[in-house]
Amino acid sequence: GAVVSQHPSWVICKSGTSVKIECRSLDFQATTMFWYRQFPKQSLMLMATSNEGSKATYEQGVEKDKFLINHASLTLSTLTVTSAHPEDSSFYICSAAGQGTNYGYTFGSGTRLTVV
Amino acid sequence: GENVEQHPSTLSVQEGDSAVIKCTYSDSASNYFPWYKQELGKRPQLIIDIRSNVGEKKDQRIAVTLNKTAKHFSLHITETQPEDSAVYFCAVDDYKLSFGAGTTVTVRA
Repeated sequence: GAVVSQHPSWVICKSGTSVKIECRSLDFQATTMFWYRQFPKQSLMLMATSNEGSKATYEQGVEKDKFLINHASLTLSTLTVTSAHPEDSSFYICSAAGQGTNYGYTFGSGTRLTVV
Repeated sequence: GENVEQHPSTLSVQEGDSAVIKCTYSDSASNYFPWYKQELGKRPQLIIDIRSNVGEKKDQRIAVTLNKTAKHFSLHITETQPEDSAVYFCAVDDYKLSFGAGTTVTVRA
């Protein structure tokens, strides 16, 4: 079945630094990648949608200059949290859609970001 | 955007009993409705889904029903087991997934 590999699984960084999270589709072409953020005991909130080779579309209230998304190929999308602050600490999950997924959504394993 | 409401927020059931979670949505054009189970710190796991051309789908102890006219769908878990304890999310697809708030299910042994 469709597999999305997400790295790192957890990361601790200092305030003011940047962190990059990668999601790779291993056995299918991810034409669209979705990035979610999940705070403790809350639901998954969509941050942005990216299509390969295009600029990402951000949800209302999500700062595009803070959360940089790159989807340069059909197998790789990255989310960079710039100038991270403690309030950015959260669980970030990617989800891919594309050929080979039976038109469903395949989730990465998530990244636990802690900003200290 | 899509507005998805999910109830109840918590559900405690005795092992062997049934659990039912309900979701409503706002966009009548939506046609794909998945349910996910999420354990702490892990990715959501698809447990069952339904498309708008059917009213019910069953997979062993899990079933989903869909009422497109009323814009609501429900997850039914029968013969609950302790390993069913988790957070369950409904979602609605309108070219992107919108999630309900989640239901924490606890199965008491």
